[in-house]
Amino acid sequence: DTAVSQTPKYLVTQMGNDKSIKCEQNLGHDTMYWYKQDSKKFLKIMFSYNNKELIINETVPNRFSPKSPDKAHLNLHINSLELGDSAVYFCASSPEQVLNTEAFFGQGTRLTVV
Amino acid sequence: AQSVTQLDSQVPVFEEAPVELRCNYSSSVSVYLFWYVQYPNQGLQLLLKYLSGSTLVESINGFEAEFNKSQTSFHLRKPSVHISDTAEYFCAVTGSDFNKFYFGSGTKLNVKP
Repeated sequence: DTAVSQTPKYLVTQMGNDKSIKCEQNLGHDTMYWYKQDSKKFLKIMFSYNNKELIINETVPNRFSPKSPDKAHLNLHINSLELGDSAVYFCASSPEQVLNTEAFFGQGTRLTVV
Repeated sequence: AQSVTQLDSQVPVFEEAPVELRCNYSSSVSVYLFWYVQYPNQGLQLLLKYLSGSTLVESINGFEAEFNKSQTSFHLRKPSVHISDTAEYFCAVTGSDFNKFYFGSGTKLNVKP
């Protein structure tokens, strides 16, 4: 069983569209994250949720809206997609907010905006 | 905010040769340090981590990393690499609240036969 699963794996869409990426973890972790990997391979934190509560919002445009219906799911909705949103988006989870244990990452969603 | 520098974007090496992947970070406060590995079409997997205590940490597959506070480095080493070690390696440090990662840009290790 996949610990952290993201769907879809690939997403190609036109500018201006609205799209969602879903993430689910079956590890029983309390904390989930979204990271964005840009074209230079840097991964940057976008959001963090702990038990469905937003903990970190790292100066991300408000076109990006995370939603956590329960602590096993953290979805990312993006409105009015722009070319610069093209990136690989990684979902991750960890047992708690303090990162002194292993964080598990999904396979990533490669978003291409054309 | 912390920053992490991985100077080598690619490291080609022959099988059974030693390798060192360099990682430097900027932080004046205590942090946790990690190396993650990403195999093709997979998510990142934890390789090893330094939280406190002994500055030399090891993974189960023969990698080791040494925390050097004075040089703010956490270089990853393996004395003899295998073809199966071919992957991208990411160094990461936590923020001062220990609740998020700051990643380097990754080093692609290419092990040749």
